[in-house]
Amino acid sequence: AQKITQTQPGMFVQEKEAVTLDCTYDTSDQSYGLFWYKQPSSGEMIFLIYQGSYDEQNATEGRYSLNFQKARKSANLVISASQLGDSAMYFCAMRLSPGYSSASKIIFGSGTRLSIRP
Amino acid sequence: GAGVSQSPRYKVAKRGQDVALRCDPISGHVSLFWYQQALGQGPEFLTYFQNEAQLDKSGLPSDRFFAERPEGSVSTLKIQRTQQEDSAVYLCASSLATMDWNQPQHFGDGTRLSIL
Repeated sequence: AQKITQTQPGMFVQEKEAVTLDCTYDTSDQSYGLFWYKQPSSGEMIFLIYQGSYDEQNATEGRYSLNFQKARKSANLVISASQLGDSAMYFCAMRLSPGYSSASKIIFGSGTRLSIRP
Repeated sequence: GAGVSQSPRYKVAKRGQDVALRCDPISGHVSLFWYQQALGQGPEFLTYFQNEAQLDKSGLPSDRFFAERPEGSVSTLKIQRTQQEDSAVYLCASSLATMDWNQPQHFGDGTRLSIL
């Protein structure tokens, strides 16, 4: 069965510092995609970054980068130069490639609440 | 707006009542998903539509939950005879096409359902 584990329920970081949010995943499939979403207190899930299982380069999107270590089955999110507006819940998620019966769904972790201190 | 729109934003119902939650996806998005998010947890998959076809309803917790998307655009999630454990945020998401599996799903703000 597929599973996403986020072991940090909450984190506090000083503004302008970099922060790493941990994510490990479990799947026996070779083809999958990994996503990170941000959920502010307003409730909307905001897509941040995507990494495919066959991508050789780590994904980057502005201040966000994904530290993908396939052998360790980890997909940590790195936020550089954190800002007050980064305070939110962050969810790691996984989706299997087409061809699997469960390919339609995204499986989410339990999330990490990030708080940025001024 | 251009995003996924959900209504109502908040819904309070008494136990045993039926509720209907609406989702208006991004125009042109073929795929539509419903998720349930309990307090302090990540979203959990409920059901998936490709156009008007409901291709996966494996996440629906009971036969009290029913979803439809009759014309392939707006979708409604209906919960009959609500129970307290149905209290959660219900999120709707849409994406361009299911085969583009690396396409991100775009989420609405959700409907916060409280059952008294």
